[in-house]
This record gives sequence, C-alpha cells and structure tokens, in this order.
Amino acid sequence: SSDLTQDPAVSVALGQTVRITCQGDSLRNIYASWYQQKPGQAPILVIYRQNIRPSGIPDRFSGSGSGDTASLTIAGAQAEDEADYYCNSRDSSNDHLLFGGGTKLTVL
Amino acid sequence: QVQLQESGPGLVKPSETLSLTCTVSGGSMSGYYWSWIRQPPGRGLEWIAYIYHTGSTNYNPSLKSRVTISLDTSRNHFSLKLSSVNAADTAMYFCARLRAGMADPYFDNWGQGTLVTVSS
Repeated sequence: SSDLTQDPAVSVALGQTVRITCQGDSLRNIYASWYQQKPGQAPILVIYRQNIRPSGIPDRFSGSGSGDTASLTIAGAQAEDEADYYCNSRDSSNDHLLFGGGTKLTVL
Repeated sequence: QVQLQESGPGLVKPSETLSLTCTVSGGSMSGYYWSWIRQPPGRGLEWIAYIYHTGSTNYNPSLKSRVTISLDTSRNHFSLKLSSVNAADTAMYFCARLRAGMADPYFDNWGQGTLVTVSS
C-alpha cells in the first residue's frame, strides 16, 4: 500500500511528552517530513529528513523512524503546539507524494 | 526567504476549469520542484502535482486525467489547471516549493493558500 496512516487525534498534558506516529510501506526507504498546521493557516515544516529541524523550530520537536514507522516527538508540549500534524513521504515506485491523514493534537 | 502567493478565482462553476497561479518571489525557480496541494474544508492535505524547473511533471493518479501543471521561470510563476470541476474540488489550494532528494521529499515553503469554491 502507498498510504500513510496516522492516529486521528492525540492529547497531551501541558509540559508532558507526546509522540505522533506515521505508518506506511514507503517509510522503509524514504524519510518522512512533518508539518504543523494551525486553524486558518498554511502548514509549516517542522521536521525533514526524518530528524532535522528547520531554522526557527523549537528543539522540543524531534523526529525518528524505524522500519515502516516514523515518529514526531514533542518533549514538554506547550499550549501553542496544539495543532494538526501531517507526515509526508514519497512512493519510490512512481515518485508520487503522500500525506498522512493528519493527527489533531490537543494540549490539556 | 522565498515567498509564494497563490492567485485566481475564488468561485468556479461546476464542469468548468479551475485555474490558479503561484507567484514566486525572493528567489529563483531554477533547481527546484514546485507543487500544488489542496485541503477540502475540515479535511487533510492532498498532493495534486509537482513540476521541476526543467518542465518534467508528476501527478496524483486520482486527479491526473483532469490536471495540468506548468511553469514560466522567466516570469517566476507556475500554474494549475483542473478541468471538469465538481463540488468535491472545493478546497483550499496551496502552492509550495518541494525539496526532493532521492530519499527525503519535503515542502519547505508554502503559500498562504487560496480558497476555491465550486458552485453554480
């Protein structure tokens, strides 16, 4: 399958650590990237090449991966981290791009 | 920092063609891939197509029969045409710069998006 699967919703207590996962066959040989999207805004890149943070992204955001699963971890979640998070990869058989269905993160 | 800005009609009639343009400023289009992504209201992101600065293209198979992506590097813009639209094509349309290495595609710059509604 060329799909990327994410949990629809995850919650975390303020200041605690949360992991958001993305599963798909493409992730066995293609790194995931991760995007944060707040209501009414365009997505912004928070992790690329599985574990690299763009300039300006807080270091509480990190990425990892193993096998067919990529993960985005937020260590010490803040209220401003409440958003939708999407993973992205590529189907190496045809170079089609893929997005996960998105995970809505609630910070309690 | 490169900036992208979508433009085009916000309302398109069913069966007509949706046409959008993304203007790139603050940087060259050469050496990069450029892409369109859409997001229906309340739903997730869907990749539509991308084009390399040389003109080579790739399309989402679910939309391929109706989509054309093109670019004009001399005018620093690229465009999307989606034909035979229906209500399911109502969405926020984003343009973005795609960094596409062999093992790590990612969108590093996005436009703010433009809402296109399909309605008579």
